[in-house]
Amino acid sequence: KAGVTQTPRYLIKTRGQQVTLSCSPISGHRSVSWYQQTPGQGLQFLFEYFSETQRNKGNFPGRFSGRQFSNSRSEMNVSTLELGDSALYLCASSRDSPNEKLFFGSGTQLSVL
Amino acid sequence: GQQLNQSPQSMFIQEGEDVSMNCTSSSIFNTWLWYKQDPGEGPVLLIALYKAGELTSNGRLTAQFGITRKDSFLNISASIPSDVGIYFCAGPRNSGNTPLVFGKGTRLSVIA
Repeated sequence: KAGVTQTPRYLIKTRGQQVTLSCSPISGHRSVSWYQQTPGQGLQFLFEYFSETQRNKGNFPGRFSGRQFSNSRSEMNVSTLELGDSALYLCASSRDSPNEKLFFGSGTQLSVL
Repeated sequence: GQQLNQSPQSMFIQEGEDVSMNCTSSSIFNTWLWYKQDPGEGPVLLIALYKAGELTSNGRLTAQFGITRKDSFLNISASIPSDVGIYFCAGPRNSGNTPLVFGKGTRLSVIA
């Protein structure tokens, strides 16, 4: 069974640009959560999608958005990038609920210059 | 609110030594999850605990669900260099379909 797949693995952008990250969950998993991780920080919850609907949202500005498709694949978008957006963005999937065992992808390392 | 406090924040140990870390909360948790994150990778689930007092092993790793349900412990025996990484505890909030609560992690360094 394939794990959670995130693309791209690395990304370099400049301030003001926008970026789209992609996540394919484990087959059969319907809940997809996104986290931001910066050096020395823990896992900051961004949002969670289930059945193409955003079910939970963390405390991030509106520049951070996401969506989920009918096949449970998810994308997150960050517009008007800031230097502080440089981070490892992690996607995690679970069968039905974000408070079950989460399975993480390897992440997308975003650097904003 | 439901927060998880992990200690120590970081630790340096000699290869071959045993390691102990813990996770505490002021609230009761019904499930405890322990994850390990290698540098530049996503966290990987190590052990899941579902019952107060439960003791579960995964190779050299042993985790326990505290009797009070407000804490959990992770022990690593005979550490090796590949044990390096960040260890996170996590648990579900009481209300349904809300995100897991994560601790801030314990960073483990192993000196060969």
